[in-house]
Amino acid sequence: DTEVTQTPKHLVMGMTNKKSLKCEQHMGHRAMYWYKQKAKKPPELMFVYSYEKLSINESVPSRFSPECPNSSLLNLHLHALQPEDSALYLCASSRPAGTGDNEQFFGPGTRLTVL
Amino acid sequence: RKEVEQDPGPFNVPEGATVAFNCTYSNSASQSFFWYRQDCRKEPKLLMSVYSSGNEDGRFTAQLNRASQYISLLIRDSKLSDSATYLCVVNDDYKLSFGAGTTVTVRA
Repeated sequence: DTEVTQTPKHLVMGMTNKKSLKCEQHMGHRAMYWYKQKAKKPPELMFVYSYEKLSINESVPSRFSPECPNSSLLNLHLHALQPEDSALYLCASSRPAGTGDNEQFFGPGTRLTVL
Repeated sequence: RKEVEQDPGPFNVPEGATVAFNCTYSNSASQSFFWYRQDCRKEPKLLMSVYSSGNEDGRFTAQLNRASQYISLLIRDSKLSDSATYLCVVNDDYKLSFGAGTTVTVRA
């Protein structure tokens, strides 16, 4: 199973809403990632979890709050977002650094629109 | 200077043509390299890893030149289904650095 799944596929939310994005993988990967991608731009790294611990936060605003409940799941909690946060949010997973080939596999993404 | 610079294209080629493009990276200590393809409004999908000895996967050939810090991708016998954006990706531990992407359109 080389699949990363993400829910929901689409999300529309107001600036006062609280919502969560979910990501799941069953490849035994112990590194998981959140990326944000705007149209016609490459993905931008937001967070990295390694062995369920946050290892990188790329200076992401606190209105984005990641959570890694276990080795298969990764959440991104959203609160008080701005319209400019509208984007495709991609989850990825890989073997941790230093453990051999560490290609990242991406989920299909959640297309978020903030009104 | 960007960490990964990539020829943006677009490359508009007929079916059956060969198309090749490059990217350069700035960190000489970078350890692993990949080509991903991304279709419109879809996620990036791993196309192939790139090794120092060069590697081939069917119609796709990737090469890495560490001395000059560039990576190349060559597509032979282009198919309509090869139309996509190709992302050059450099991996330093956890962090992937993406090029801006090369757009390839294969026309009938």
